[in-house]
Amino acid sequence: DIQMTQSPSSLSASVGDRVTITCQASQDIGSYLNWYQQKPGKAPKLIIYDASNLDVGVPSRFSGSGSGTDFTFTINSLQPEDVATYYCQQYDNLLPVTFGQGTRLEI
Amino acid sequence: EVQLVQSGGGLVQPGGSLRLSCAASGFSFSDHYMDWVRQAPGKGLEWLGRSRDKSNSFTIDYAASVKGRFIISRDESKTSVYLQMNSLQTEDTAIYYCARNFGGGFDPWGQGTLVTVSS
Repeated sequence: DIQMTQSPSSLSASVGDRVTITCQASQDIGSYLNWYQQKPGKAPKLIIYDASNLDVGVPSRFSGSGSGTDFTFTINSLQPEDVATYYCQQYDNLLPVTFGQGTRLEI
Repeated sequence: EVQLVQSGGGLVQPGGSLRLSCAASGFSFSDHYMDWVRQAPGKGLEWLGRSRDKSNSFTIDYAASVKGRFIISRDESKTSVYLQMNSLQTEDTAIYYCARNFGGGFDPWGQGTLVTVSS
């Protein structure tokens, strides 16, 4: 199985800060990497697909980059509504799909 | 509007069975993979399995942790996907989500349904 190592596991930042989360795959997954936002008590929501593409309706302060084994998720100018847990997910051709451990973001 | 509405879930004793349902609307159901993911209390996300689309003969794959105990099926006439869970154990306690697989990304997700395995 492809292991996804996400860091940090938790993060505290201030409104207006730039926040960065990293995700490392145990083998090359190309750009088959997605990012999700999960607010408390809610289902996850797709934010970034294929490593760097913003899903429809997602604010432009969110961005993603990387390929191969190393990926980065960034929130520019953190807003109060961004409080959530963020997960990376790989979907390489080989199953199973796997997720990172999650990053809990607080303000 | 693309929507997934889940039903089923609840309290079940160890060794028992339960079936979850996920009704889809707003998209061409047969043309999409449908996946199941769960989240144990306070934990991360775990992929359970998927039903592929019509062009891939609706074939099914499972995570090793549930293979042989869980069964995924789908009913095209009801645009629904199901998760039959057998031989449930306490470690299966979780919120279970269905999700449309959209090019590898899960979008959208159902609202989730809580399954509690306890005596």
